[in-house]
Amino acid sequence: DQQVKQNSPSLSVQEGRISILNCDYTNSMFDYFLWYKKYPAEGPTFLISISSIKDKNEDGRFTVFLNKSAKHLSLHIVPSQPGDSAVYFCAASVNFGNEKLTFGTGTRLTIIP
Amino acid sequence: EAQVTQNPRYLITVTGKKLTVTCSQNMNHEYMSWYRQDPGLGLRQIYYSMNVEVTDKGDVPEGYKVSRKEKRNFPLILESPSPNQTSLYFCASSTNSGVNYGYTFGSGTRLTVV
Repeated sequence: DQQVKQNSPSLSVQEGRISILNCDYTNSMFDYFLWYKKYPAEGPTFLISISSIKDKNEDGRFTVFLNKSAKHLSLHIVPSQPGDSAVYFCAASVNFGNEKLTFGTGTRLTIIP
Repeated sequence: EAQVTQNPRYLITVTGKKLTVTCSQNMNHEYMSWYRQDPGLGLRQIYYSMNVEVTDKGDVPEGYKVSRKEKRNFPLILESPSPNQTSLYFCASSTNSGVNYGYTFGSGTRLTVV
């Protein structure tokens, strides 16, 4: 039972344009959401997070939006750069907890120069 | 440098031969966890530990064991590996205080069981 879903396995975006990565979840107990970025041969690295008390969090070129009623979050990257090419995972936890993160299946983002 | 170190990076073994993948963190983190990554399935949690001598099952614990005798170490043990345990494994750690950045991950161990 996949509680966190990323329905697009891959996405290609022109350099300089906006990249939008989507994530849906089914567990209404999730109250904290994170995005991780993963390059080949490396472990995932933390990118940005959002608490359920917010609907938007911004950090430089990265913005995460949370729609609790739709159980949907998205990551916007503007402008997209070649170094953004990676696999992106969304993750969720309950009670703001760090110990049990549930991950999605990942979206491979390719930025076309 | 703050990091999670796991060894080995690559391992090929035969069915049934016990193996241990080591994991160590130097950040004094309370939480540690093991994940496996498989195509189309993303990252799935195997076991996690909230502190020394406190461990619990994740989503896919079958065929694995862990121990947390010291805060910095969290080895993953496969008592009798099988081909369906061929996967990319990640160890991770995090703190239970301060800003929540989730887990810091190691670089991964690619395991092949033949």
